Amino acid sequence: NAGVTQTPKFQVLKTGQSMTLQCAQDMNHNSMYWYRQDPGMGLRLIYYSASEGTTDKGEVPNGYNVSRLNKREFSLRLESAAPSQTSVYFCASSPGTSGRKGFNEQFFGPGTRLTVL
Amino acid sequence: GNSVTQMEGPVTLSEEAFLTINCTYTATGYPSLFWYVQYPGEGLQLLLKATKADDKGSNKGFEATYRKETTSFHLEKGSVQVSDSAVYFCALNSPYSGGGADGLTFGKGTHLIIQP
Repeated sequence: NAGVTQTPKFQVLKTGQSMTLQCAQDMNHNSMYWYRQDPGMGLRLIYYSASEGTTDKGEVPNGYNVSRLNKREFSLRLESAAPSQTSVYFCASSPGTSGRKGFNEQFFGPGTRLTVL
Repeated sequence: GNSVTQMEGPVTLSEEAFLTINCTYTATGYPSLFWYVQYPGEGLQLLLKATKADDKGSNKGFEATYRKETTSFHLEKGSVQVSDSAVYFCALNSPYSGGGADGLTFGKGTHLIIQP
């Protein structure tokens, strides 16, 4: 049982390049999330997926797209990377579904450290 | 909207000292409250949680009590160890989160350093 896994662990991009961050969970969770962590800012929600086939914007969605490929996988895409997207990206999952806003704990992956030059 | 305020760090203590990290929140409805811990180079791990007023969450010697009257969820430990050095995040999940987001709202984190 690996929990939440993320690839890659590290990535360096040039401005304007694109890439996709991969996330997978093996806990049969319904909900999945993407956060970014910046110094002095805590974690901020980029996008989330309450269940397979649905995605919604979080606090800071601009410049990102997501795909909930199936129940296990939730990817984050940067179409044209900018230096402001230099950050550590965390994927998380939780058992519950949205709508009634469950109180479920979220389980986090180890993170992807992205640098955009 | 929802917000979480926690004390800025770094907080530096000697081993076996008493720890308090303050956390206050603003939320609509009745949020669940969490403390997460992040060790260097790792993701976040849930440390403890409380889902309703007056609940006490506890784990690994850490405790926090959900105080609705003061909108607080302060983290405490009676005797810290060097291994407790990490960044601690207070967070909430509200059933009425603005904009429909179902993610957690985090504080900015408190870097705790325990010296031998």
